Amino acid sequence: EAGVTQSPTHLIKTRGQQATLRCSPISGHTSVYWYQQALGLGLQFLLWYDEGEERNRGNFPPRFSGRQFPNYSSELNVNALELEDSALYLCASSEMTRHREAFFGQGTRLTVV
Amino acid sequence: DAKTTQPNSMESNEEEPVHLPCNHSTISGTDYIHWYRQLPSQGPEYVIHGLTSNVNNRMASLAIAEDRKSSTLILHRATLRDAAVYYCILKTSYDKVIFGPGTSLSVIP
Repeated sequence: EAGVTQSPTHLIKTRGQQATLRCSPISGHTSVYWYQQALGLGLQFLLWYDEGEERNRGNFPPRFSGRQFPNYSSELNVNALELEDSALYLCASSEMTRHREAFFGQGTRLTVV
Repeated sequence: DAKTTQPNSMESNEEEPVHLPCNHSTISGTDYIHWYRQLPSQGPEYVIHGLTSNVNNRMASLAIAEDRKSSTLILHRATLRDAAVYYCILKTSYDKVIFGPGTSLSVIP
């Protein structure tokens, strides 16, 4: 069974541009979570989608946004990129119950220059 | 947000058991305790989870205190491949999954 897949693996953008990151969850999983992990730091919760709806978001500015498609895949968009947005962006998926584990992808390394 | 506290770092000798503690004094009755670990340059991976009873799987054991205010992840024989950051989190039905700083485990050959 395929795991959580993220694309692209690496992304280089210049300041002010927009970045789009993609995530395909494990088949049957309806929940998708996005996290930001800056170099040497912990995972910062960004967004949670389930059944196509945004369920919760972390303390990030509105230029971080996303959506979930009918097939449960998800996109994370970051507008007006800043140098501090350089980080590893991780996506995780799970079934929508509290006793089910989340499975993570390998992440997209975004570098803003 | 449900909160957990863990030691920043721990060391273990190879082939010895490791007990990684986690405090979650504000846990509610329906929160599940989950453990994940993150190896260098990889995304986090699920280790184990439980509600009230102790749990065992091929990777580790989870010991949950009777009052559920703390838990301990037990690696029975640490290997060099177990060197990672270990995260203890609380998961509710309709809440985001928040990761704390975790415990960085070093394994000494």
